[in-house]
Amino acid sequence: GDSVVQTEGQVLPSEGDSLIVNCSYETTQYPSLFWYVQYPGEGPQLHLKAMKANDKGRNKGFEAMYRKETTSFHLEKDSVQESDSAVYFCALSCPMDTGRRALTFGSGTRLQVQP
Amino acid sequence: EPEVTQTPSHQVTQMGQEVILRCVPISNHLYFYWYRQILGQKVEFLVSFYNNEISEKSEIFDDQFSVERPDGSNFTLKIRSTKLEDSAMYFCASSIQGNRREQFFGPGTRLTVL
Repeated sequence: GDSVVQTEGQVLPSEGDSLIVNCSYETTQYPSLFWYVQYPGEGPQLHLKAMKANDKGRNKGFEAMYRKETTSFHLEKDSVQESDSAVYFCALSCPMDTGRRALTFGSGTRLQVQP
Repeated sequence: EPEVTQTPSHQVTQMGQEVILRCVPISNHLYFYWYRQILGQKVEFLVSFYNNEISEKSEIFDDQFSVERPDGSNFTLKIRSTKLEDSAMYFCASSIQGNRREQFFGPGTRLTVL
């Protein structure tokens, strides 16, 4: 079945540090790729997305490039801020013509930016 | 901005009892979903629903689970006989028909089974 593997556990950069959170996926289909962000007490919110290979999702200084050749969708930011602290989930969904709608999530990465 | 709402925010129940979790999806959305998240773990898909029927379900969604859209606005998840391991956050989500695949999530219902 489909799977998503991302940087495990917690990352603790200092404010102003650069950030990479790794995400790799496995599927037999040509998926759409997403990063969702979850703040305490809330549901996941769409953070950015990429619908096809070589698309780059962008939001609030974060970027992720859909790389089909390496089946990756790493989340990057040049300079993190305390307000970026949250749990980030990488996710994929299968093409419309498969009839499948489920999002497959990674295990989540807790970003805790130090002041 | 339209959003998905869920009630209650926290439900405590005894093992073996039935619970119904309620959701109001975004009004012009046509696809509805339930996911769950056991504390500290990943978000897991349970079921998707379109045109008044289940379109996809996971192996977690066994006979003790059911979904219903009883009217034009609500979408419910029923767990017939709760088990301790059903304790989790349950998220409802909805998406619009077409090529836009984004799913919009509600704030969740925390279910605690004692």
